[in-house]
Amino acid sequence: NAGVTQTPKFQVLKTGQSMTLQCAQDMNHEYMSWYRQDPGMGLRLIHYSVGAGITDQGEVPNGYNVSRSTTEDFPLRLLSAAPSQTSVYFCASSVSGGTPQHFGDGTRLSIL
Amino acid sequence: QQPVQSPQAVILREGEDAVINCSSSKALYSVHWYRQKHGEAPVFLMILLKGGEQKGHDKISASFNEKKQQSSLYLTASQLSYSGTYFCGTERTSYDKVIFGPGTSLSVIP
Repeated sequence: NAGVTQTPKFQVLKTGQSMTLQCAQDMNHEYMSWYRQDPGMGLRLIHYSVGAGITDQGEVPNGYNVSRSTTEDFPLRLLSAAPSQTSVYFCASSVSGGTPQHFGDGTRLSIL
Repeated sequence: QQPVQSPQAVILREGEDAVINCSSSKALYSVHWYRQKHGEAPVFLMILLKGGEQKGHDKISASFNEKKQQSSLYLTASQLSYSGTYFCGTERTSYDKVIFGPGTSLSVIP
């Protein structure tokens, strides 16, 4: 089992560029979520999904979009990258409920 | 609203015990605990639901006092492998968003 797979692992962008962070899980989990982690600030919820076709905003959704067309995939899109979005991004999944139980390895994103 | 964790950091010698606290000003449905080693993803340790239950995971256990809206993580006879940052996450209702605390850095030294 691969678990939760995130790609890419590292990315450098210029301000204003857009990109998509990929997240896929092979455990048939209904609940998936995206977090960003900044130094000394713990994990902050960006967006989450309780199943295919259903998404909702977390604590810090501005500047990000998500979609959930399949149970397996939950991509995160940065619409117009800003230096404030420099962070480590984690995707997580769980069988049900809001508990993120399985995390991907993270995407380290730098925006210049 | 972000839960509060204390202490911010703790240094232990192998074999010593530690307690990490997580508290909220709001009524909670559940508390979750995670450990994250430097440069790695968080690892889920356990979830405690309201009802004042206590859980254990090897030599790591936790309690949840719903009246005080507080959870405590107990690490006994600490090992070098316990080093890392411990986060609590809280839910106010079932299927709610999980909000994480700022973390407690724990270092175990020989």
